[in-house]
Amino acid sequence: DAGVIQSPRHEVTEMGQEVTLRCKPISGHDYLFWYRQTMMRGLELLIYFNNNVPIDDSGMPEDRFSAKMPNASFSTLKIQPSEPRDSAVYFCAIRPDTQYFGPGTRLTVL
Amino acid sequence: GENVEQHPSTLSVQEGDSAVIKCTYSDSASNYFPWYKQELGKGPQLIIDIRSNVGEKKDQRIAVTLNKTAKHFSLHITETQPEDSAVYFCAASIGGSYIPTFGRGTSLIVHP
Repeated sequence: DAGVIQSPRHEVTEMGQEVTLRCKPISGHDYLFWYRQTMMRGLELLIYFNNNVPIDDSGMPEDRFSAKMPNASFSTLKIQPSEPRDSAVYFCAIRPDTQYFGPGTRLTVL
Repeated sequence: GENVEQHPSTLSVQEGDSAVIKCTYSDSASNYFPWYKQELGKGPQLIIDIRSNVGEKKDQRIAVTLNKTAKHFSLHITETQPEDSAVYFCAASIGGSYIPTFGRGTSLIVHP
């Protein structure tokens, strides 16, 4: 996990609130991925970037979800407004050679 | 797109026994097959991978086999230990992108 820092590690919020998840890759990479993990659907790829450019966002469930990568060392995933069904663990992953996952953010929307 | 099926969803073994997890994939163009181990409260971590030009690969107690004709691949863990208890994911990807499609995971429980 040392190659990717995610914050916060846990987030509890109320329905309708805006949520911002953060990812900071430490090591060099060319790709950055955002995943969502739930018991019902397993690991889902939401979006990925190549050299800071969004390449495929077809996994983003709704317009309420957005992601940015302003530079090679930082990315955000925003949910606005949040809903209870967004409760999940969100992972950021990089790809120096193969996918390397961060520790995840556990999001609970009440 | 690619579809990866993984079985079983839960596997319970006694310490010292072997464990086998099997996966199938749908797209014959897939040529890279990583396996990940996810411990409680952590992200998935790569434990072994195999490419389509290789039929088997070993790393100490773990091994992966690939049958491209049948489009299935398997993870074998020998002499299991309680610290092997985790969720294991198989995945398949196409070409040089290494953007994998994941299986649903197998929860392995090793009883002391």
